[in-house]
Amino acid sequence: AQSVAQPEDQVNVAEGNPLTVKCTYSVSGNPYLFWYVQYPNRGLQFLLKYITGDNLVKGSYGFEAEFNKSQTSFHLKKPSALVSDSALYFCAVRHSSGGYNKLIFGAGTRLAVHP
Amino acid sequence: GAVVSQHPSWVICKSGTSVKIECRSLDFQATTMFWYRQFPKQSLMLMATSNEGSKATYEQGVEKDKFLINHASLTLSTLTVTSAHPEDSSFYICSAREITGLNTGELFFGEGSRLTVL
Repeated sequence: AQSVAQPEDQVNVAEGNPLTVKCTYSVSGNPYLFWYVQYPNRGLQFLLKYITGDNLVKGSYGFEAEFNKSQTSFHLKKPSALVSDSALYFCAVRHSSGGYNKLIFGAGTRLAVHP
Repeated sequence: GAVVSQHPSWVICKSGTSVKIECRSLDFQATTMFWYRQFPKQSLMLMATSNEGSKATYEQGVEKDKFLINHASLTLSTLTVTSAHPEDSSFYICSAREITGLNTGELFFGEGSRLTVL
C-alpha cells in the first residue's frame, strides 16, 4: 500500500538558516510526490511536485525538494528560512484505487522559524 | 491558477441539526472532488471521492448516511453532515482536480470549513 511518513512533528529553525522537512514514502511503481503547506485555519497550498525528470524540484516561495529513489525520500528544503514560512507542511503521494487517483498525506510537520 | 471556493468558512450549529458545506471550482471544471476531514494538529483524512453525476465513493469507516455528498454539476460538490453531534466538530476541506492534473494527481484545495456542533 502507498504511504508517506514525516518523522518529525516539528522543526525549529532560526531565520536565515537553511531548513529541511523530511519525508519518506512507500509506493509500488513510480512515485508521484507532492508538498503542500497549510496556514492556520486555511486550506492547503501546493508547493511543488515530482513526477519524473530531474531529482531536484523547484517550487513556490523558494522551496525545493530532492527526490532520492534509493532512500525513498523526498525532503523539502529552503536555503534561507523566513519567519513567514512558519506553517504546517504535508508530504503526499498519489495512490490509485478503484480507477481513481487520490492523494495520501503524511501526518504533517510543523515548521517554526524564529527571528 | 485553479481556485476552489468553500462556503461557509465557519459554522456553529446545535446538536441534531444538519449542515451543508459547498465546494466550488471557480475557474475550471472538476469531474472529481475530494472531501477531507482534519482533526486538530493532525493530518487530512480522506472521507470520500465525489464524482459528477454519480454516487460518491466513501473511504472505509466513513458513514455514507451521515456524510451525504452530492456532485450535481462540474463545478459544485456539497457535503451535508446530517444530525450533527459534537464529535462531528472538525475542519472539513474539499479539493478538486483540474483536468490537466488527471494523470499527476495534483489537487487544488478550498480554504476549509470549520464546523462546531454544540
